[in-house]
Amino acid sequence: NAGVTQTPKFRVLKTGQSMTLLCAQDMNHEYMYWYRQDPGMGLRLIHYSVGEGTTAKGEVPDGYNVSRLKKQNFLLGLESAAPSQTSVYFCASSYSGGYNEQFFGPGTRLTVL
Amino acid sequence: DQQVKQNSPSLSVQEGRISILNCDYTNSMFDYFLWYKKYPAEGPTFLISISSIKDKNEDGRFTVFLNKSAKHLSLHIVPSQPGDSAVYFCAARTDSWGKLQFGAGTQVVVTP
Repeated sequence: NAGVTQTPKFRVLKTGQSMTLLCAQDMNHEYMYWYRQDPGMGLRLIHYSVGEGTTAKGEVPDGYNVSRLKKQNFLLGLESAAPSQTSVYFCASSYSGGYNEQFFGPGTRLTVL
Repeated sequence: DQQVKQNSPSLSVQEGRISILNCDYTNSMFDYFLWYKKYPAEGPTFLISISSIKDKNEDGRFTVFLNKSAKHLSLHIVPSQPGDSAVYFCAARTDSWGKLQFGAGTQVVVTP
């Protein structure tokens, strides 16, 4: 039982390049979330999904797109990377939106030059 | 708009003593609060939670207290151990979709 996994672990991009971050969970969770963490700040929600085929915007969605084609996967895309998107990205999943915890992946450290 | 605040960026405590971490929030609609622990280069891991209908929840060495009138919660770790050295995040559930707002975190260092 791997829990929540994220690929890649590290990535360096040049401004304007694109990339996709992959999140996978094997807990059969309905809900999945993408966060970013910046120095001196807590985690901020980028996008989330409440089930296969659904996505919704979080607190800081600009510059990102997401897709949830399969229940176990949640993809985060950067179409044209900017230095402001340098951050650590965490994916999380939960059984529901109710009173239960979110399980987090190990994170992806992205640097945009 | 930072609705969850952890005003102490760091805390140093001796092994065996109590660690008290504080968290304040501004939105009275928050109904569920969680504490997460994070080691370097790892994702946050869930520690303990409390519903807004309670004022205390205990799990082993960890106790969370909620004061709704003051919009304040605290995490007590007794006794503190070297393995407790980590960043601790306070989070609040904002709606029925389970969205969380996080504080900025408190770095705890437990010294021998």
